[in-house]
Amino acid sequence: AQSVTQLDSQVPVFEEAPVELRCNYSSSVSVYLFWYVQYPNQGLQLLLKYLSGSTLVKGINGFEAEFNKSQTSFHLRKPSVHISDTAEYFCAVRTHDNNNDMRFGAGTRLTVKP
Amino acid sequence: KAGVTQTPRYLIKTRGQQVTLSCSPISGHRSVSWYQQTPGQGLQFLFEYFSETQRNKGNFPGRFSGRQFSNSRSEMNVSTLELGDSALYLCASSTDLAGGNEQFFGPGTRLTVL
Repeated sequence: AQSVTQLDSQVPVFEEAPVELRCNYSSSVSVYLFWYVQYPNQGLQLLLKYLSGSTLVKGINGFEAEFNKSQTSFHLRKPSVHISDTAEYFCAVRTHDNNNDMRFGAGTRLTVKP
Repeated sequence: KAGVTQTPRYLIKTRGQQVTLSCSPISGHRSVSWYQQTPGQGLQFLFEYFSETQRNKGNFPGRFSGRQFSNSRSEMNVSTLELGDSALYLCASSTDLAGGNEQFFGPGTRLTVL
């Protein structure tokens, strides 16, 4: 079965600084990769996804992620963060065969300080 | 278009009781998935329904069950509640069996078991 590891449980950063949230996955077959964001007391919202093709994926709110097959990574980046980006971020993976469930990482708490 | 709605938003039960949570997907969405979110275990997949059939099931005891109706609305039931069942239960819908399709999440039902 597939699995996801988010390497940092918490990432504090100052406003307008760049940020990278790291995600590694494990799977014996091809996968779809996702990044979701969860604001307090809300459900999850999709930031971006990788299905196939170009390895650099751009999402909402200025976020982007790069799929690296050789390193089995899908790190999320933003060149300049805002206070409003403070939230929990989840990396998720699902195999192409649709017979497996969506697996989420443990989450990374991004805190943007003024 | 209205988003995914979940009712109730908050629920308090005592050990041994049972509970039913409801999820109404986005209009036209045929796939509904359920997740349990806790601070200790993170987001864990419960089950996925499509066209009234359970397509995938996570690693949860038989006390957790669900169903989907012909209008795609879904319910999940937890019987003989335990303290450890206290969690945020999230429902997500997508147009088809999730795969690479985006899952749209509801705000969740916060279940507290006393």
